[in-house]
Amino acid sequence: QQQVKQSPQSLIVQKGGISIINCAYENTAFDYFPWYQQFPGKGPALLIAIRPDVSEKKEGRFTISFNKSAKQFSLHIMDSQPGDSATYFCAVAGGTSYGKLTFGQGTILTVHP
Amino acid sequence: DAGVTQSPTHLIKTRGQQVTLRCSPISGHKSVSWYQQVLGQGPQFIFQYYEKEERGRGNFPDRFSARQFPNYSSELNVNALLLGDSALYLCAAKPQPTYNEQFFGPGTRLTVL
Repeated sequence: QQQVKQSPQSLIVQKGGISIINCAYENTAFDYFPWYQQFPGKGPALLIAIRPDVSEKKEGRFTISFNKSAKQFSLHIMDSQPGDSATYFCAVAGGTSYGKLTFGQGTILTVHP
Repeated sequence: DAGVTQSPTHLIKTRGQQVTLRCSPISGHKSVSWYQQVLGQGPQFIFQYYEKEERGRGNFPDRFSARQFPNYSSELNVNALLLGDSALYLCAAKPQPTYNEQFFGPGTRLTVL
């Protein structure tokens, strides 16, 4: 049972463009929705996270949009830079899985200069 | 403060052998979780420990075991290694089990031949 579906699997954007990655979840009990960034050979690093009581959260160039009724959330990277090239994972937590993160399959982002 | 540290960085074992991976959490972070990340996939939850007690277990066979020490460091043990155990093993730390935000270490890359 795949609790989190992430798309696209890979994404190529030009420098300065907008990168958009989407996630869909099934369990309405989830109440924590983070995005992680992972570079090759490194562990995932928390980028930004949102709770279901707000529809959008922005931190610098990174924005999470949350649609509770559709059970979807997305990551927007504005003014994408080559240094943003990495693998991005959405995750969910909460409900009976309190404290345990369930990750999506990941999106490989490549930003061309 | 130093981040989450893991050792060793890389490890090569043969099928049937046993392996022990180690994790030291951030100072003050008493809860430690272990995740397995197979190449090309998102991390999968294995265990969560808090105050030396198991607080959650993922869908992994009994060949996987873990423990936590009084200083909150942790070890993950895998017995009777299979080729499919080849993965990046990640340790994540947080102040307590109910805290959703987790900080990952760099991981241990295990290769089973």
